[in-house]
Amino acid sequence: GESVGLHLPTLSVQEGDNSIINCAYSNSASDYFIWYKQESGKGPQFIIDIRSNMDKRQGQRVTVLLNKTVKHLSLQIAATQPGDSAVYFCAETYAGGTSYGKLTFGQGTILTVHP
Amino acid sequence: DTAVSQTPKYLVTQMGNDKSIKCEQNLGHDTMYWYKQDSKKFLKIMFSYNNKELIINETVPNRFSPKSPDKAHLNLHINSLELGDSAVYFCASSQVGGRDRNTIYFGEGSWLTVV
Repeated sequence: GESVGLHLPTLSVQEGDNSIINCAYSNSASDYFIWYKQESGKGPQFIIDIRSNMDKRQGQRVTVLLNKTVKHLSLQIAATQPGDSAVYFCAETYAGGTSYGKLTFGQGTILTVHP
Repeated sequence: DTAVSQTPKYLVTQMGNDKSIKCEQNLGHDTMYWYKQDSKKFLKIMFSYNNKELIINETVPNRFSPKSPDKAHLNLHINSLELGDSAVYFCASSQVGGRDRNTIYFGEGSWLTVV
């Protein structure tokens, strides 16, 4: 299958469960964080973002939590659906100067939702 | 009406060949990027252009030459292709400033296989 040899973290849940995907970021200077969803054969798709002056942000069925003390980011998906199955990436950047747009991506987590 | 479109989607070519991948965005953004995703799904920035000016060049071999004829287009030319160039190449765009700033939109990817 697609995941053979990838050795990405995996999360397997039942439809309707809540999912939590975690990410540790590396740069203390990063002030903007994004979660992307990548379905098989497609490009990363923006889900939700958060700036460093916040510790929580909610969207439709998704919530992002930011803990700057331990440089940790999480994505919570409520009532997970089979269509949520994908690889999820966190990304960090410093939204200023010439580093703008230079997203540093985490390794990705494979989410599989079973009907 | 795809926002960020890139061609070709699939490209299989022999070592030593020269090939190009084209990218166009119809979002009116002023910044465009090339990212590379390897076989382990790791995503890394290669280049970014703002208003046709090179902003980021992430220690990419000289065999890779981006060209931006206008701010809606960013093409990637690769000379003397090597086996290690096999990857998925993603074009992306964003707008500096404005309500939607910092959100980076990705194309569907170009799967390059060098044999």
